[in-house]
Amino acid sequence: DAGVIQSPRHEVTEMGQEVTLRCKPISGHDYLFWYRQTMMRGLELLIYFNNNVPIDDSGMPEDRFSAKMPNASFSTLKIQPSEPRDSAVYFCASSLGPWEYEQYFGPGTRLTVT
Amino acid sequence: AQKVTQAQTEISVVEKEDVTLDCVYETRDTTYYLFWYKQPPSGELVFLIRRNSFDEQNEISGRYSWNFQKSTSSFNFTITASQVVDSAVYFCALNSWGKLQFGAGTQVVVTP
Repeated sequence: DAGVIQSPRHEVTEMGQEVTLRCKPISGHDYLFWYRQTMMRGLELLIYFNNNVPIDDSGMPEDRFSAKMPNASFSTLKIQPSEPRDSAVYFCASSLGPWEYEQYFGPGTRLTVT
Repeated sequence: AQKVTQAQTEISVVEKEDVTLDCVYETRDTTYYLFWYKQPPSGELVFLIRRNSFDEQNEISGRYSWNFQKSTSSFNFTITASQVVDSAVYFCALNSWGKLQFGAGTQVVVTP
């Protein structure tokens, strides 16, 4: 069975541009999570969805960040406009439950904003 | 509030040595789940183990073993007879009520 799929794997963009990261969760997983990993802050939860509905977006840094899940097999994380401090690795993960089950992570998208 | 502390930033060992990674957590919840993840140099996060707060049995899986002690709020991880392929960053994580809180990670470097 395929794992969590993320695209692109690498993204380099200029400050001010819009960036869209994509994720396909494992089929049958009702929960989808977006994380950001940086050297300074480690792994941070940005937002998570249950059955396509955002449940907790308290980790989203600011209004420049938005996430959607239009259906059970696709989610996007958008940054508009991007800034150099957004440079990080963004992970998508999915699981069968919010906390009692392990989360399976995608390979990540390494974002560089110049 | 919940918190996970991995006090060891980096551990360097020679192949075949044992290595123990410490994890101490804080939570007010009585029901919670603990996890360990591995992040090899390639960057992906790989799930290793899950343990719930009511199950204090130690677990062994091949060269990996975990010691959960609720009394000291610790969930330590031991790699026996380490190999170069064990070189990675290892994260301990705590989840209660939907938010997975990661520790800062411990970098393990295994040299031949």
